[in-house]
Amino acid sequence: AQSVAQPEDQVNVAEGNPLTVKCTYSVSGNPYLFWYVQYPNRGLQFLLKYITGDNLVKGSYGFEAEFNKSQTSFHLKKPSALVSDSALYFCAVRDYGAGSYQLTFGKGTKLSVIP
Amino acid sequence: GAGVSQSPSNKVTEKGKDVELRCDPISGHTALYWYRQRLGQGLEFLIYFQGNSAPDKSGLPSDRFSAERTGESVSTLTIQRTQQEDSAVYLCASSLTDVVETQYFGPGTRLLVL
Repeated sequence: AQSVAQPEDQVNVAEGNPLTVKCTYSVSGNPYLFWYVQYPNRGLQFLLKYITGDNLVKGSYGFEAEFNKSQTSFHLKKPSALVSDSALYFCAVRDYGAGSYQLTFGKGTKLSVIP
Repeated sequence: GAGVSQSPSNKVTEKGKDVELRCDPISGHTALYWYRQRLGQGLEFLIYFQGNSAPDKSGLPSDRFSAERTGESVSTLTIQRTQQEDSAVYLCASSLTDVVETQYFGPGTRLLVL
């Protein structure tokens, strides 16, 4: 079975400060990991994904995430937060090694960037 | 190009009525997924279509839920005899294939069952 946990319901950060949104996962095979963002009254937008290769993945809007196999984590980061980054962020995992094509999503983390 | 579209954007219905939700995937995308998002929750997988293969219905919560897809185009999700616990946002996503391709999501249909 595959699962993902986002331990923080909400993250508050001051504009211009670095931000981190945490995600840990559990799979039996090899993970494919994704971050999506959901702005109010809009659908989910893809930010970035890790499939294989470099553990540091760069995505849209200046976001990046680091895959850490030993800690089973895939934390989302940005060096300098913008007010416009305020949204709901979802981490998702797919257990490719188990032949799964289903994405399992975390419950989401609400990011608030304070001016 | 056009993204995933869903209709209606909002639906209010009475308990016991049937509802039909529609999804138009991105042209050329062979994989299509339906998810349910309850208030304050993550996405819950419902059903998956890939080309002409039999759909994976393992996420459907009850036999009141069904979905169809015509070839590699439009899909409809039908909920019969709606219950208040069916109130949620229903999201559709499509991807080029079902391997490692990114899923692209529609704006969702917000369903409220009174």
